[in-house]
Amino acid sequence: AQSVTQPDIHITVSEGASLELRCNYSYGATPYLFWYVQSPGQGLQLLLKYFSGDTLVQGIKGFEAEFKRSQSSFNLRKPSVHWSDAAEYFCAVGPGGSGTYKYIFGTGTRLKVLA
Amino acid sequence: EPEVTQTPSHQVTQMGQEVILRCVPISNHLYFYWYRQILGQKVEFLVSFYNNEISEKSEIFDDQFSVERPDGSNFTLKIRSTKLEDSAMYFCASSELVGNQPQHFGDGTRLSIL
Repeated sequence: AQSVTQPDIHITVSEGASLELRCNYSYGATPYLFWYVQSPGQGLQLLLKYFSGDTLVQGIKGFEAEFKRSQSSFNLRKPSVHWSDAAEYFCAVGPGGSGTYKYIFGTGTRLKVLA
Repeated sequence: EPEVTQTPSHQVTQMGQEVILRCVPISNHLYFYWYRQILGQKVEFLVSFYNNEISEKSEIFDDQFSVERPDGSNFTLKIRSTKLEDSAMYFCASSELVGNQPQHFGDGTRLSIL
């Protein structure tokens, strides 16, 4: 069955520290992978996406993610976190030519940033 | 940058009433979607819509739900005879193509059923 797992429900980091949010997926076909961020009361903003090619992808707000097929992972990283990064982060898997249209989301990781 | 807009931002409705959630997708997009997020839970797919018909729906999307593109710009989700468990954030999304074009999400409508 298709699924996305975000093992960390909550993560707290100090401002300026590095960040890594984990995402593992189970998907029959070659997946398309996404990270979205949701600030309180806001919608889902696309941070970055992976379709093919270079397995290290750059996104907005200084985020990057690395696709590792052997580990079925797509972890999100940022070298230095800012207080404004506090939000909930969702990893999602999208249709990779498998005939479906839907995205499958993980349960999210809530990031807290300490000043 | 063009964006998906949803109205209203918050809808409060009595149980048993009908509610219509409205969305204006990005203008050149062809695929439209509804997702919902019950408080504290993951975002779940409801339905996708292309070429004026439903292209895929989840098991959540039963006869209580319907979607429509009444004109060239709006995309609506109707929930008939609402139940308490319909309380959730409902997100509209659109994409230019399916597959290697990302879905762009609106800010959502928070639906509260009393």
